[in-house]
Amino acid sequence: GAGVSQTPSNKVTEKGKYVELRCDPISGHTALYWYRQSLGQGPEFLIYFQGTGAADDSGLPNDRFFAVRPEGSVSTLKIQRTERGDSAVYLCASSLSPEDGYTFGSGTRLTVV
Amino acid sequence: QKEVEQNSGPLSVPEGAIASLNCTYSDRVSQSFFWYRQYSGKSPELIMSIYSNGDKEDGRFTAQLNKASQYVSLLIRDSQPSDSATYLCAVTNSGYALNFGKGTSLLVTP
Repeated sequence: GAGVSQTPSNKVTEKGKYVELRCDPISGHTALYWYRQSLGQGPEFLIYFQGTGAADDSGLPNDRFFAVRPEGSVSTLKIQRTERGDSAVYLCASSLSPEDGYTFGSGTRLTVV
Repeated sequence: QKEVEQNSGPLSVPEGAIASLNCTYSDRVSQSFFWYRQYSGKSPELIMSIYSNGDKEDGRFTAQLNKASQYVSLLIRDSQPSDSATYLCAVTNSGYALNFGKGTSLLVTP
């Protein structure tokens, strides 16, 4: 596609529920990243995919968070047993290679009530 | 904790002036440096990247890097009201995981 597409744009969920956030990167971009941005903060690194594999998932805050990219294109960030502290904008980005800098999607605003 | 520090602002400059945005970082082995612009309610967009000491110019934007002082800056010449946004400094030593500062809010007044 022309840009990085993220769905849904907004998600409100109840505490304890499971959510999935989807990212469709720019066509041909092998590198894909997930970040989380809280109000008044810069984006915080979560996970980096090169192709289908998670090359670095050191930023995932705990084992409630998991991400996949089974075919090397679309990625899904999964959050189990959501907590109010998970409320943030979840940003996905992609690039041809890390040195190129990222193109971010418009983000998913997750609100846990 | 590897930190990227930015003055939160707001930095207010009159239209047509030069805006100077600064960033310091703590990780000495950082190798790549980026400036992103983020409008309110929008996602960050890449303005500049810089990898070696010195200046890099792109249109009205100039990025400056001083690795010895662990300092990177962004100059915006002939500032326009449309430049009003939050500017995020990002640093990486891995080449892929960016460590962002909290951003500096810039307001360009007509």
